Amino acid sequence: GIQVEQSPPDLILQEGANSTLRCNFSDSVNNLQWFHQNPWGQLINLFYIPSGTKQNGRLSATTVATERYSLLYISSSQTTDSGVYFCAVELYNNDMRFGAGTRLTVKP
Amino acid sequence: DADVTQTPRNRITKTGKRIMLECSQTKGHDRMYWYRQDPGLGLRLIYYSFDVKDINKGEISDGYSVSRQAQAKFSLSLESAIPNQTALYFCATSDPSVSQGFEKLFFGSGTQLSVL
Repeated sequence: GIQVEQSPPDLILQEGANSTLRCNFSDSVNNLQWFHQNPWGQLINLFYIPSGTKQNGRLSATTVATERYSLLYISSSQTTDSGVYFCAVELYNNDMRFGAGTRLTVKP
Repeated sequence: DADVTQTPRNRITKTGKRIMLECSQTKGHDRMYWYRQDPGLGLRLIYYSFDVKDINKGEISDGYSVSRQAQAKFSLSLESAIPNQTALYFCATSDPSVSQGFEKLFFGSGTQLSVL
């Protein structure tokens, strides 16, 4: 089946730093989403991005579907950005596959 | 009020017990999903339902069953709980008609289940 790999698995930043999270997938997909799971376990949709680039405040995402990867950029990180970031791909049979996540810790 | 509500938020149970996790939604979506999350594995799909009469197995359906009582309700049952079913469980909904034909998932707040 399709493989969804996220890197790095863990990331520690100082507040104010920028970061890039990567999601590679092994086959063509119908679409891709990025989620943030906060330290209390709640999952929040960040981007719905099957291709192209989107921006929302300090966050932006780019998906290059032909090369099977997506990037999530976090600029000027804040402590509230801490948590786990997941990418999820939707297959053409409507099934979803999640990556294992990147655990981000932003230190004050 | 949350659009996707899971109950209970936390549950501790013993091996062999039957347990039901409930999910209700006010979004009016036809599609509903149950996922479990384990550290280092991300979220994995247990079951999904595209309408009241449609139930499909996901990646890891063994040991679980579901019931779609109505469009708004989708329950997950563990008939005989075992310790490796200890996990964080998420319910989600989606509507393929939004976002220019693409689906977008909406998650509940999760249920932390511990099986002793």
